[in-house]
Amino acid sequence: EDQVTQSPEALRLQEGESSSLNCSYTVSGLRGLFWYRQDPGKGPEFLFTLYSAGEEKEKERLKATLTKKESFLHITAPKPEDSATYLCASGYALNFGKGTSLLVTP
Amino acid sequence: DAGVIQSPRHEVTEMGQEVTLRCKPISGHDYLFWYRQTMMRGLELLIYFNNNVPIDDSGMPEDRFSAKMPNASFSTLKIQPSEPRDSAVYFCASRDEEVDGNTIYFGEGSWLTVV
Repeated sequence: EDQVTQSPEALRLQEGESSSLNCSYTVSGLRGLFWYRQDPGKGPEFLFTLYSAGEEKEKERLKATLTKKESFLHITAPKPEDSATYLCASGYALNFGKGTSLLVTP
Repeated sequence: DAGVIQSPRHEVTEMGQEVTLRCKPISGHDYLFWYRQTMMRGLELLIYFNNNVPIDDSGMPEDRFSAKMPNASFSTLKIQPSEPRDSAVYFCASRDEEVDGNTIYFGEGSWLTVV
């Protein structure tokens, strides 16, 4: 069965303090590794899809990378508005990890 | 496009009552998904449809849950009878596999509380 494990469960950063979120996956026949952002009271919002090891994608202060067993979401110089839960997912019908709750303080 | 539209946004019901959640997918999307999100279990896939046909309902917790998709623009998730442990946020999502591959787009969710 496809499994996705995210770490850490929660992360608190000061504004400007860069860090990375981890997503480990075990999927037979990867059809993409997905990152979503979820704000409180909202549905998950699509950020990135990665398909092959070595692939990278960027959006503002976020960069997602992929290896054969893991994906990382790097956050460079975060701002308070980056505070949210970040979810990763894989599999044909998207099997989600439990997410990393990120809080960025001024 | 308006995105995936779900209703109701919030529902409080008494144990034993029937609950019906509704979803309108993005126009032209050929897949529709129902997920449930709780603090304990995270986001879980309940069922998904392709071209209005249920493909995988292995995530439906028990016979009290049923889902239908009578046409390409409407789906329902029904819980009968409801129980307090069904309290969760229920998300509907859709995708156009030909255009977006496996990327799915979520609605804002239906917050269900069963008392």
